[in-house]
Amino acid sequence: NAGVTQTPKFQVLKTGQSMTLQCAQDMNHNSMYWYRQDPGMGLRLIYYSASEGTTDKGEVPNGYNVSRLNKREFSLRLESAAPSQTSVYFCASTSPASGRKAPDTQYFGPGTRLTVL
Amino acid sequence: AQSVAQPEDQVNVAEGNPLTVKCTYSVSGNPYLFWYVQYPNRGLQFLLKYITGDNLVKGSYGFEAEFNKSQTSFHLKKPSALVSDSALYFCAVRDKGTGRRALTFGSGTRLQVQP
Repeated sequence: NAGVTQTPKFQVLKTGQSMTLQCAQDMNHNSMYWYRQDPGMGLRLIYYSASEGTTDKGEVPNGYNVSRLNKREFSLRLESAAPSQTSVYFCASTSPASGRKAPDTQYFGPGTRLTVL
Repeated sequence: AQSVAQPEDQVNVAEGNPLTVKCTYSVSGNPYLFWYVQYPNRGLQFLLKYITGDNLVKGSYGFEAEFNKSQTSFHLKKPSALVSDSALYFCAVRDKGTGRRALTFGSGTRLQVQP
């Protein structure tokens, strides 16, 4: 199993440009999440999807949109990038609470380092 | 609302010495508590978690954590530190009473183990 994969690994954008960060998991997890990591602030939740077909806002959703394309894939879109969105973005997924292995443990992708100039 | 505090930005310890990384939490109900580790340019890796039961939780790489309900703490410990333990450590919490599985993370503590 590849676990949680993210593309791209690095991206540089100019202010106002748009882009989509891709995330996929092959663990048959129901729930998926997007976080951003900034120095001294830990990880902050942007959006999450409890199950296929549902999405909800997290702590810092402004400037972002998400799509839960199917059970495997959860994408994050920046419609008009701003320098304040320079960050490292992590996707994560969670096994169902009734799962046999470490229920409620989140598994993280390797991250996308985004710079907005 | 749920929150996590990691009061130390950095912890320095000599190799072979015991280490402690501190974490306190706040939830309205009962907590699920987690520790994750992040190595440079990598995603977060799960170390251990407290769900219920025994207050001392053992995890990966020889780490353990003690849940203390009265002090609302979940400190990470290891009896003998290794240089390879040097990394960024995050504590996280989720309120058991909520249906939402999203975690709230602390700001992270950088552990530096000197040879």
